[in-house]
Amino acid sequence: KQEVTQIPAALSVPEGENLVLNCSFTDSAIYNLQWFRQDPGKGLTSLLLIQSSQREQTSGRLNASLDKSSGRSTLYIAASQPGDSATYLCAVRGNTNAGKSTFGDGTTLTVKP
Amino acid sequence: DAGVIQSPRHEVTEMGQEVTLRCKPISGHNSLFWYRQTMMRGLELLIYFNNNVPIDDSGMPEDRFSAKMPNASFSTLKIQPSEPRDSAVYFCASRSTIIDQPQHFGDGTRLSIL
Repeated sequence: KQEVTQIPAALSVPEGENLVLNCSFTDSAIYNLQWFRQDPGKGLTSLLLIQSSQREQTSGRLNASLDKSSGRSTLYIAASQPGDSATYLCAVRGNTNAGKSTFGDGTTLTVKP
Repeated sequence: DAGVIQSPRHEVTEMGQEVTLRCKPISGHNSLFWYRQTMMRGLELLIYFNNNVPIDDSGMPEDRFSAKMPNASFSTLKIQPSEPRDSAVYFCASRSTIIDQPQHFGDGTRLSIL
């Protein structure tokens, strides 16, 4: 059974800092990995999706990496802003396109002005 | 494009009552997922459908929970009878079966059972 862990559970940084969020998973036979953002009282918004054959994906100030063999992914946020404050979740999809995803518990990020 | 639409946004009811949550997926998406989110347990997959057929319902907690997808544009999650421990935020998500498409989530239904 796939298990997904995100450390730390919470992170507070001053505005402008670069930061890294971590996601680890126990079964490396994955189809893809997705990073989401969740704002309070809202649903999840997809940020980046990395296919199992890829090493990283970039969107603006965000960069996600994937190392399947070690069961790890990181989400790098450059030049953080207060608007980045949210909970970030990673989700690992099982090894078929029709597979279900297993979610981590998330890292709650606070960026202080 | 309209996103995933869930209704109601909030539901407060007394234990023992029947609760029905509704979801309209994004048009053209073939997969639909129901999740439950609580502080204690995080985000849990309850059931998912491909092409209106339930594929995996192993996350449905008890027989009190049931889900249907009568057509490609509508799904319901029903709890009967409801209990206070069912209080949570319930999310619906949909996804295209085109390779490597992301899941899109609705804004959720915040359910409180008194």
